[in-house]
Amino acid sequence: SQQGEEDPQALSIQEGENATMNCSYKTSINNLQWYRQNSGRGLVHLILIRSNEREKHSGRLRVTLDTSKKSSSLLITASRAADTASYFCATGEAYSSASKIIFGSGTRLSIRP
Amino acid sequence: EPEVTQTPSHQVTQMGQEVILRCVPISNHLYFYWYRQILGQKVEFLVSFYNNEISEKSEIFDDQFSVERPDGSNFTLKIRSTKLEDSAMYFCASSFDRSRGETQYFGPGTRLLVL
Repeated sequence: SQQGEEDPQALSIQEGENATMNCSYKTSINNLQWYRQNSGRGLVHLILIRSNEREKHSGRLRVTLDTSKKSSSLLITASRAADTASYFCATGEAYSSASKIIFGSGTRLSIRP
Repeated sequence: EPEVTQTPSHQVTQMGQEVILRCVPISNHLYFYWYRQILGQKVEFLVSFYNNEISEKSEIFDDQFSVERPDGSNFTLKIRSTKLEDSAMYFCASSFDRSRGETQYFGPGTRLLVL
């Protein structure tokens, strides 16, 4: 089954605006993580939210988690050109023995100057 | 800040050849992982490793793949006889413990091209 599907697939906004990306998943989870990937590069961990948490902040990032809807959102406030990247959610399934995480397809975010 | 490192950054090989991808996880981490990302596709889980044995593996991780922690610092992924479809970016990751919230830290990746 598909897990961690992001929406939208691509997003283009003006610098300074806020960017919101959504993630939906299907199974019960222990946690949900958001990662950033610059083109062809490695995965940078942004934030982890546990299944018993509803909201978390880190700098300009705000993540929400709604386990009843099996969805999460990542908000980047006051976007900058350097935020241009792909953003992935990744879920840690509740009954996985060794904490593998399952990635979604990602949202490609472009920040226009 | 400690980070996961991977070598080489790029590797080109002929189909049928063996490749070994190397990773040095963060030093106090206990769980180790390999993922791969075929160009333009999702990041896919391959295998997890804990206490010197495989904890979980995906259907991608067939008999051509093996992992090893030959010493206290390195974690390797071997592909015995590479196929064209093995061309991908391979990421190593590590995490401290499940009870710490399972944040997985990824290395920069090895881009493997099989010709």
